[in-house]
Amino acid sequence: AQSVTQLDSQVPVFEEAPVELRCNYSSSVSVYLFWYVQYPNQGLQLLLKYLSGSTLVESINGFEAEFNKSQTSFHLRKPSVHISDTAEYFCAVSNNNNDMRFGAGTRLTVKP
Amino acid sequence: GAVVSQHPSWVICKSGTSVKIECRSLDFQATTMFWYRQFPKQSLMLMATSNEGSKATYEQGVEKDKFLINHASLTLSTLTVTSAHPEDSSFYICSARDPLGGYGYTFGSGTRLTVV
Repeated sequence: AQSVTQLDSQVPVFEEAPVELRCNYSSSVSVYLFWYVQYPNQGLQLLLKYLSGSTLVESINGFEAEFNKSQTSFHLRKPSVHISDTAEYFCAVSNNNNDMRFGAGTRLTVKP
Repeated sequence: GAVVSQHPSWVICKSGTSVKIECRSLDFQATTMFWYRQFPKQSLMLMATSNEGSKATYEQGVEKDKFLINHASLTLSTLTVTSAHPEDSSFYICSARDPLGGYGYTFGSGTRLTVV
């Protein structure tokens, strides 16, 4: 079975600073990788996903993630964060699209 | 894009009563839906996989008699928390595979259950 590890439970950064949220996965087969964002008392919103092809995927709001097979990682990055990026971020993995497993989440707090 | 509607968004019930949570796919058919539970400041834990027209598949440690799942149509799955206790208080989220999204899932907005 696949699993996901998010090493950082909390990441505080100042506005306009760069940020990286780390995600490592384990699976014995090929995987699909996702990043979701959750705002308080809301469901999850898909930020970006890797299915195949280019290992660098981007979202419309400036986030990007790179699939690294050799390091089994899918870290999320943004060169300059905004206050509005404050949220909980979840990395997730699926290997056959029948279910999805989530990491423990990383709380990103952007300070002015 | 695909939309999953979850209702209610929050509910307060008394201990011993039952609560039903609905999850609807609004513009697509979902043969499979997933139910998750999330404790404060924690990740989502998969509770069960709901299959249209058949019995749900529960994850290890989840009591199927306590968390009843019904998936009677291609657009509706329900989760009923029976004989609720305060420890059942949690955030419950459903999801369905987005058939047009190239894998990945669409999530409902969640239901905050508080048992008093």
